[in-house]
Amino acid sequence: QKEVEQNSGPLSVPEGAIASLNCTYSDRGSQSFFWYRQYSGKSPELIMSIYSNGDKEDGRFTAQLNKASQYVSLLIRDSQPSDSATYLCAVNRGNTPLVFGKGTRLSVIA
Amino acid sequence: SAVISQKPSRDICQRGTSLTIQCQVDSQVTMMFWYRQQPGQSLTLIATANQGSEATYESGFVIDKFPISRPNLTFSTLTVSNMSPEDSSIYLCSVRTRGSDYGYTFGSGTRLTVV
Repeated sequence: QKEVEQNSGPLSVPEGAIASLNCTYSDRGSQSFFWYRQYSGKSPELIMSIYSNGDKEDGRFTAQLNKASQYVSLLIRDSQPSDSATYLCAVNRGNTPLVFGKGTRLSVIA
Repeated sequence: SAVISQKPSRDICQRGTSLTIQCQVDSQVTMMFWYRQQPGQSLTLIATANQGSEATYESGFVIDKFPISRPNLTFSTLTVSNMSPEDSSIYLCSVRTRGSDYGYTFGSGTRLTVV
């Protein structure tokens, strides 16, 4: 069974700090990796995707992928209170549906 | 990225009744996905809807309970049939978007409460 594991949190960080969110997955054939942000009562919003080993940066966000360790992470630099949300890790192969982790709740304290 | 219009946004329904949720996409897509998100939980895939063929259901979900229609490449409906309080969830449709990221976009969700 394909699984995606995340710490449920809450992860609390002070404003301006780096928030580090982690995710592991069981399917070695996974090809695509996504991070979604979900505010309470809202639908998930894609913030990062990554497909190859290494780092990918987009503004304050950096996704890191290590396929050998089956590990993907998201770093949020200069965390803001508006970053407080649940972050969902999702993986898939090709055009198959996404498999989601349970999400990590992030709280940025002003 | 694709824009999905999903409705209704919320509803309160009596047990034993049915509710049909609609998703309209602003571009043609081959596959549409239906997810359920129970309170405090992550997203669980219900089924994949392809145009012109029967939907493919995940383990634990059956067509009689969650019939899906996919009449064309921009539209799909999910019906929640013979509802019970356990069906109270957020239901979301999703499509894969074209573009550099090839991410998956979600509709705004339908918050269903069964009383």
